[in-house]
Amino acid sequence: QQQVKQSPQSLIVQKGGISIINCAYENTAFDYFPWYQQFPGKGPALLIAIRPDVSEKKEGRFTISFNKSAKQFSLHIMDSQPGDSATYFCAAPGSARQLTFGSGTQLTVLP
Amino acid sequence: EAGVTQFPSHSVIEKGQTVTLRCDPISGHDNLYWYRRVMGKEIKFLLHFVKESKQDESGMPNNRFLAERTGGTYSTLKVQPAELEDSGVYFCASSLLPGPGSEQFFGPGTRLTVL
Repeated sequence: QQQVKQSPQSLIVQKGGISIINCAYENTAFDYFPWYQQFPGKGPALLIAIRPDVSEKKEGRFTISFNKSAKQFSLHIMDSQPGDSATYFCAAPGSARQLTFGSGTQLTVLP
Repeated sequence: EAGVTQFPSHSVIEKGQTVTLRCDPISGHDNLYWYRRVMGKEIKFLLHFVKESKQDESGMPNNRFLAERTGGTYSTLKVQPAELEDSGVYFCASSLLPGPGSEQFFGPGTRLTVL
């Protein structure tokens, strides 16, 4: 069964800094790796996703870097803002084609 | 357009009692998923409906959990009898297409506390 290891568990960054969250997966039968963002009291919402025919995908200040050989992918948030403070989840598809999520990273961006 | 809604937002029950959670997916979304997050751990898949049929229920913890989706619209998840380890946040999500490559839209969750 697919396992996704996410780190760090929590992250504190100054405004304007770079936030980096890492994930590693074991196996996947389907190449699609999303990141979800969750604000308090809300459900997770899709932030950005990558299909690893490319090694990097950028949307605004958010970038996914993907290393297929290492089975690792990461989320970079450039110029982090207090409004980015949230819990971030990575996910990977398992053999049953259902998403397996990481344990989440609570990001706090200080003003 | 309304998003995924869940009811109740919070539920506190005693061990041995029964609780029923409800999820209303986005209109037109045939695919409905239930997930659970326990004590700050990972969001864990429970099951997947396509319309009214259970496509995959491999994540259901045991037979104390019963999910239904009559008519292929809203879904309910019943826990009977509830145990302490069932505490957590239960999320429902829906998607237009099946498979992990289709964006899933999550509800705000139901926080279940079993005392």
